Formats: sequence, structure tokens, C-alpha cells
Amino acid sequence: DTGVSQDPRHKITKRGQNVTFRCDPISEHNRLYWYRQTLGQGPEFLTYFQNEAQLEKSRLLSDRFSAERPKGSFSTLEIQRTEQGDSAMYLCASSSPTSGRADTGELFFGEGSRLTVL
Amino acid sequence: AQSVTQLGSHVSVSEGALVLLRCNYSSSVPPYLFWYVQYPNQGLQLLLKYTSAATLVKGINGFEAEFKKSETSFHLTKPSAHMSDAAEYFCAVTGGPLRGGYQKVTFGIGTKLQVIP
Repeated sequence: DTGVSQDPRHKITKRGQNVTFRCDPISEHNRLYWYRQTLGQGPEFLTYFQNEAQLEKSRLLSDRFSAERPKGSFSTLEIQRTEQGDSAMYLCASSSPTSGRADTGELFFGEGSRLTVL
Repeated sequence: AQSVTQLGSHVSVSEGALVLLRCNYSSSVPPYLFWYVQYPNQGLQLLLKYTSAATLVKGINGFEAEFKKSETSFHLTKPSAHMSDAAEYFCAVTGGPLRGGYQKVTFGIGTKLQVIP
């Protein structure tokens, strides 16, 4: 198992452009999360998938943001009409409850995709 | 709602000295608590977790933390700092046990640990 992988690791774009990030979770994990981390802050929750269903979205996720997990495996996070305030590290994490046991909430993170909007 | 407060955004210790990173939590239900570490340009890695079993939790790299309900604290300690411990440390909380459901993990703002040779 190679862990959670994210692509690209770094993205520099001009204001107004669209960007898309991809996350490949640990293969047996059915839960996938997106977090955003800005300088001097801890990760902030954006959205959560269980399999292909998007079960929760943060108020931080404006209508310019959309996330998908079409087959319950990899996920994409798209930001349309980027703004300078979107500059941040976008973190993907995955987890999986074990049948019959409580999910402790432990998350397995990727290395993140850093977005810089000029 | 659950939250954590990390006291001290930057902490400096000498190599070989005690490391103490402070975290206080707020939770309306029995919490699960975590410490994660983030090295430069890397994702977060779990150091240790408290899930309502033993109140003294041991983690990787010699770190440990003690859950103190009366103080609503979950401070992270290590007896002797090593240069490789220099990183950013995040305390996090969930709302308690979940079974087949979702529980949002809420992170603190982080504490950057500097180790001075």
C-alpha cells in the first residue's frame, strides 16, 4: 500500500483560472476527506465522501468549489475562477471503519497540493 | 461542537531538553483526541491517539500524552528533544465513538517546535 497520493503537488495559476486536484486514497479506505490549510492555521474541513456519496460539505466550500468521487475510489477537487484567497495547501485524507468496530477518527493524509494564485 | 486550543504557536527547546506542547479541548461528548506531526512540505502523520482507554498514551518517536478530563487537557511530551523532532504539531479532536457514521476532526492551529543544538 502506497498511502494517500495527491497530484499535482504544486500548482501556480493566475486569478480567474480553473484548477483541479486529484486524490488517490488508500485502496481499502471507503472514506475520503478534503481539508484546506493556510499559513499559520491548522487544517480546516472542506468535505467528506463515504464511497461515492458526498455526505457533508463545509460552509467554506463556496459554489466555486466542487468535489467528486465518481467510482468511490479517487476524488477530484475543482476550483473555478480562482481568487488569491484560494491560495492554500489542499490536503486529502482517507479512513476506513473496520466492520463491527468503531471508527476512531484517525485520518491518513496525503502530502497535499499547494495552490498559489497570482 | 468540539474545538481544541493549542497554547504557543512556537516553542523552542534545546536538544536533550523536555518537550511540552499544550493542548486543551472543548467537547460536549466524550472526545477522541489526537496529535499529528507535519514535517516541511509533507502531509500530517499521526503521532498518537486517545480513544477512551488508557489515559496515558504512548506514540511514535518517544512522544506521549496524558488525557486529563478535570483539566480538559491533552498535552504532548517527550523527555529528551532530538533535532529530528523539529516540525509542526497539531492537536485534534472528534466528538467520540462513531460506528459506520461520520465524525468531523477539528484541528488546532498548530505549534511549531524548534530544537536548538
